[in-house]
Amino acid sequence: DTAVSQTPKYLVTQMGNDKSIKCEQNLGHDTMYWYKQDSKKFLKIMFSYNNKELIINETVPNRFSPKSPDKAHLNLHINSLELGDSAVYFCASSQLLSDTEAFFGQGTRLTVV
Amino acid sequence: GNSVTQMEGPVTLSEEAFLTINCTYTATGYPSLFWYVQYPGEGLQLLLKATKADDKGSNKGFEATYRKETTSFHLEKGSVQVSDSAVYFCALSDLGNQFYFGTGTSLTVIP
Repeated sequence: DTAVSQTPKYLVTQMGNDKSIKCEQNLGHDTMYWYKQDSKKFLKIMFSYNNKELIINETVPNRFSPKSPDKAHLNLHINSLELGDSAVYFCASSQLLSDTEAFFGQGTRLTVV
Repeated sequence: GNSVTQMEGPVTLSEEAFLTINCTYTATGYPSLFWYVQYPGEGLQLLLKATKADDKGSNKGFEATYRKETTSFHLEKGSVQVSDSAVYFCALSDLGNQFYFGTGTSLTVIP
């Protein structure tokens, strides 16, 4: 069973398009995250979300928006894609107020052409 | 605020060499500490963790000890293998609310 799954694994799209990446976790965790990993492997937190609080990294453009239909899902919507959005995007989940680790999905490689 | 600093790479070692990747942290309170590994084309996987001072995390021959006095969590392995080639991330968590990652250290092990 995959703990954190995200789709698609690869996404190639043109500048200006709008796209979504889906994420689901079956661990019963109450907190989910989106990270962006650039070509140098730097991991940057974009959002963290539980059913009470959305924390947004202030450096993330407002073209990016998380949407959570329920506790097990946190999708990432991106409007008006730009070349600089090309990266690998990781979804993760964890249990709040716990010393357990975050579990990561396999990543979505987004290429904007 | 919370932050993690780890040694820059890339690191290249011969098979069976000793590995150390340094990691220091800044945190308020009592964070949990983690090492994650990322193999090429994959997501991050937990390698080991420690949740309180003087705890030692270990897995697959890797070890790291939570040192509160030096705010460090250095990763070590006595004899690396080619299959250990990956990117290693040190991280801390403040009770799961936020995770703070280091910049990653790329390790290449040559036969």
